[in-house]
Amino acid sequence: EVQLVESGGVVVQPGGSLRLSCAASGFTFDDYAMHWVRQAPGKGLEWVSLISWDGGSTYYADSVKGRFTISRDNSKNSLYLQMNSLRAEDTALYYCAKDSSGGGWYATIDYWGQGTLVTVSS
Amino acid sequence: QSALTQPASVSGSPGQSITISCTGTSSDVGSYNLVSWYQQHPGKAPKLMIYEVSKRPSGVSNRFSGSKSGNTASLTISGLQAEDEADYYCCSYAGSSILYVFGTGTKVTVL
Repeated sequence: EVQLVESGGVVVQPGGSLRLSCAASGFTFDDYAMHWVRQAPGKGLEWVSLISWDGGSTYYADSVKGRFTISRDNSKNSLYLQMNSLRAEDTALYYCAKDSSGGGWYATIDYWGQGTLVTVSS
Repeated sequence: QSALTQPASVSGSPGQSITISCTGTSSDVGSYNLVSWYQQHPGKAPKLMIYEVSKRPSGVSNRFSGSKSGNTASLTISGLQAEDEADYYCCSYAGSSILYVFGTGTKVTVL
């Protein structure tokens, strides 16, 4: 059974930094691309970032480019999101999600975690 | 990159069919047969319902079907059931720069 468990969400001040983690199990982690997708309270889904199976390719939404960094450690079956220069509009539930391919080529996210809540507030 | 446009709400009676539209542009929906649909119940994580416009993952009811015409993709739910009441989101590949864009979301109500 595929399991994705996010952690690291807290309340942080504007301008602060935070690192989210996602522990994956139940599948061969280093065969698949991974995503971060977020959902602001009461709002829709927003794609944030993608990393390829080997970490060699990374992609970001314009709204986080230059502030967020996605990474992975295949030896630990873990995905990360380093979030810097946080803004109030980054407040959201952040989902770790598995792609159906190694490179994210088919716009298909087949498994999602339960999310970790990030609140940016003074 | 703007979000894909979906109706805010769609409703139907049990047993009826409903269709949710997802309108993009020639840079996303219109250019690639790479549209997926997700169901999200309140307080739950999204669930993949349709991928690559019209393919259904194993375990998803055949009451769910997808299609695309031009810049608009559609999700049809036939034989509407109470358990189908949820939010639905489309997602499209949008090119090598933006990569992915989600729809605005549609709340489905079973009357």
